[in-house]
Amino acid sequence: AQSVTQLDSLPVFEEAPVELRCNYSSSVSVYLFWYVQYPNQGLQLLLKYLSGSTLVKGINGFEAEFNKSQTSFHLRKPSVHISDTAEYFCAVITQGGSEKLVFGKGTKLTVNP
Amino acid sequence: GAGVSQTPSNKVTEKGKYVELRCDPISGHTALYWYRQSLGQGPEFLIYFQGTGAADDSGLPNDRFFAVRPEGSVSTLKIQRTERGDSAVYLCASSSPGLAGALSSYNEQFFGPGTRLTVL
Repeated sequence: AQSVTQLDSLPVFEEAPVELRCNYSSSVSVYLFWYVQYPNQGLQLLLKYLSGSTLVKGINGFEAEFNKSQTSFHLRKPSVHISDTAEYFCAVITQGGSEKLVFGKGTKLTVNP
Repeated sequence: GAGVSQTPSNKVTEKGKYVELRCDPISGHTALYWYRQSLGQGPEFLIYFQGTGAADDSGLPNDRFFAVRPEGSVSTLKIQRTERGDSAVYLCASSSPGLAGALSSYNEQFFGPGTRLTVL
């Protein structure tokens, strides 16, 4: 079985850099994802790692780096805006296995002026 | 084009009642997924359909939960004898057919806005 660990919440100031941490546990190879959920909206895919370069660029200026030895997939943005305030979910899916996504509990990012 | 839609957006019911939640996937998407998101938690997988059949229902918590997709398009999640612990946002997602034999293949799941179920 897979599991994903994230911090509960992260307050930051506008224009500051941010890193949302994600660590996963799995006995088999996985694909990795970051989803964002804005208030009262559905989940939206930010970026994904399937293979190849371990640095993945996504939408809205976000990027993430896959580190297999540390089983991590941390999400970063060099300068955040008020509009980035949202809940961010890291998720994994087993390569070649079930199609079900396994999500972390999410990190509530609050960007303050 | 239209995304995944779910109805109703909100449902309030009393303990012990029966409820049905509907999901309309993106046109042409053969795979459909149900997840449940409890307060303060990430979404948890319930069931996955490929066409009309349930390919994986390992996430259904007990036999009060049932889902159907009779024509391979719209799906209904049915909950019998609702309990207060069933209160959550129920999310539906759909994805398009994959490329047979493709390396590193993953079919992106597109999520609907969810149905917020409250059991009083």
